[in-house]
Order: sequence, then structure tokens, then C-alpha cells
Amino acid sequence: DAGITQSPRHKVTETGTPVTLRCHQTENHRYMYWYRQDPGHGLRLIHYSYGVKDTDKGEVSDGYSVSRSKTEDFLLTLESATSSQTSVYFCAISESGAGTGTYEQYFGPGTRLTVT
Amino acid sequence: SQQGEEDPQALSIQEGENATMNCSYKTSINNLQWYRQNSGRGLVHLILIRSNEREKHSGRLRVTLDTSKKSSSLLITASRAADTASYFCATGTGANSKLTFGKGITLSVRP
Repeated sequence: DAGITQSPRHKVTETGTPVTLRCHQTENHRYMYWYRQDPGHGLRLIHYSYGVKDTDKGEVSDGYSVSRSKTEDFLLTLESATSSQTSVYFCAISESGAGTGTYEQYFGPGTRLTVT
Repeated sequence: SQQGEEDPQALSIQEGENATMNCSYKTSINNLQWYRQNSGRGLVHLILIRSNEREKHSGRLRVTLDTSKKSSSLLITASRAADTASYFCATGTGANSKLTFGKGITLSVRP
């Protein structure tokens, strides 16, 4: 978890409200990722960023948006939270890029989100 | 859809025994990685093996990769109670450092 923080760590919100989760890194890594973890599904990629203002969709991006205005911060927004978005959300960072084959990821501690 | 599929889903062994976990995948990869997750925590990177490598060691961990069978195994030797965790394989297939994770294996090591 060193060098990566997530806030908040726990949140309960109501259906239909917008929610923003923050990931902050002090490692100056280029790549940042948002995953959700659900029982029976493992980790699934929501969105990722390969540089400031450069983002792309992952496997389960519907209902989520992201922004990265600074290297160190990657925000995940649930535009109108639904109960199906109740999950544990993990941020991850990675230093290397395509072609190097050495891109291990480092994970934050997670945010537990409950949508009632 | 999941690229990596781990097997078994759950494994329970006695302290001191070896634990073997398997991962199969479907498409060509650049590398395969194994991660550990302790309860309530984020994932921790254990070991990475590139597609042109067949075996790699790190402490009590041994990873093999068979690209012809599209499979990998993680061996933990002389297991300890502290090895109790979930283990995930993840495959890297191309650009932007994206990884695709399996659903994980729950390992319980009994003292």
C-alpha cells in the first residue's frame, strides 16, 4: 500500500446520488487503474489512465467516469449510484508501459462502497 | 470475461506442506503475474514471469509457465500460517499495462 492512498475508505450512499472516489499516489507512476472486486468475479477493470488527461475504458465502465488532471490523482465518479455498484474499489498504479513486459501493479488499500 | 482461471478455487493444507495453484488462460500473453490478497487488504505483487520464460523463483515461490498449454502454476514451498490468503493470477496481453485477473484461489494453511 506504500505510496498509494484511497479516500474515503468506507462510504454509504443512497441510490441516485453521485459519488467520487479518490486515488492519490506519491510514486510518480504513469499508469493508474480503477478496479472493482465482487464475490465470484475477482477483480474487474473499470477505467485506466496512461497519462495526465489520457484515460480509457475497461471491462465494466458503464455508469462510471474518471478524470486525471495531475499525475498523482485519479478520480472515479459514479454518476448516479445504483445498488449494483456496491463493491470494494481498488486503485492501482504501474510504472512501465507497453512493450516492456515488466509492468507489475501496486494496489491501494481499497474503498468499500455501499449503495442503499 | 476472465482471461485467467485459477484452479482449485479453494485449498486447505497443513503448515509445512507445499501448496500448488494453477492458472489457465485463453489468449497469447506478454507476461503472467501472481498476486496475494490478505483479508480486507489490497493485492500485493508476488512474481512476474515473461512469455519467453519457463520458470522463475522468488524465495519460497516457484512459478512455471507453459505457453503451449496456456497455463501457469504457483508453488509455495514449506507453507506457513501467514501464507493464508487469496491468490490471483493476472495476464498482461498488450498495450497500456492492462492486466486481466482471475477470480482467485483461497488458500488456508492450518497451524
